[in-house]
Amino acid sequence: EAQVTQNPRYLITVTGKKLTVTCSQNMNHEYMSWYRQDPGLGLRQIYYSMNVEVTDKGDVPEGYKVSRKEKRNFPLILESPSPNQTSLYFCASRSDRAPNYGYTFGSGTRLTVV
Amino acid sequence: QQQVKQSPQSLIVQKGGIPIINCAYENTAFDYFPWYQQFPGKGPALLIAIRPDVSEKKEGRFTISFNKSAKQFSLHIMDSQPGDSATYFCAASVEFGYSTLTFGKGTMLLVSP
Repeated sequence: EAQVTQNPRYLITVTGKKLTVTCSQNMNHEYMSWYRQDPGLGLRQIYYSMNVEVTDKGDVPEGYKVSRKEKRNFPLILESPSPNQTSLYFCASRSDRAPNYGYTFGSGTRLTVV
Repeated sequence: QQQVKQSPQSLIVQKGGIPIINCAYENTAFDYFPWYQQFPGKGPALLIAIRPDVSEKKEGRFTISFNKSAKQFSLHIMDSQPGDSATYFCAASVEFGYSTLTFGKGTMLLVSP
């Protein structure tokens, strides 16, 4: 089954404790992206990657890091989480080949930073 | 700067009604306009998408209308059902080449029985 897998689904952590949210896709997609979803603000892009070793900032990159060492994986790293990073996070991937430009999203990671 | 403006923020209709969700964009380079549907506890899923060479696209009960000159597009749900209750996001991007997808803020739709 074609899918984007995120782990963990739920995470509660304390301020300043480094954490990593993993994302993996099995569709051989070139393009991967991280979004955060907050009430009233919709989906805002954090970082994206056009291919292996190619990453760039989205609209809200502060406090986050990413890496793309393999095509299938795109982890999101919070080196020193703060309470304002409490949010629902989604990883997504898509192909760069026509006709399918639609994103496939993961099921989300609900992060709470206390 | 919000590049895709979506309205309304929430919408309640009765079963069988036709909810309409509107989006407006600013970047004239956008040429791919998808809609996503999100149920509680799930990630958004691609519902239907349109390209600006057509003014309307239908897939089942879902229709996108597109007005290139006004830089607006909308989603209509015919004969809406309680199972359509979800949050809907419009989005826009440049289709070819490397481009990010810019989302509207979402519309929470409730279809009452």
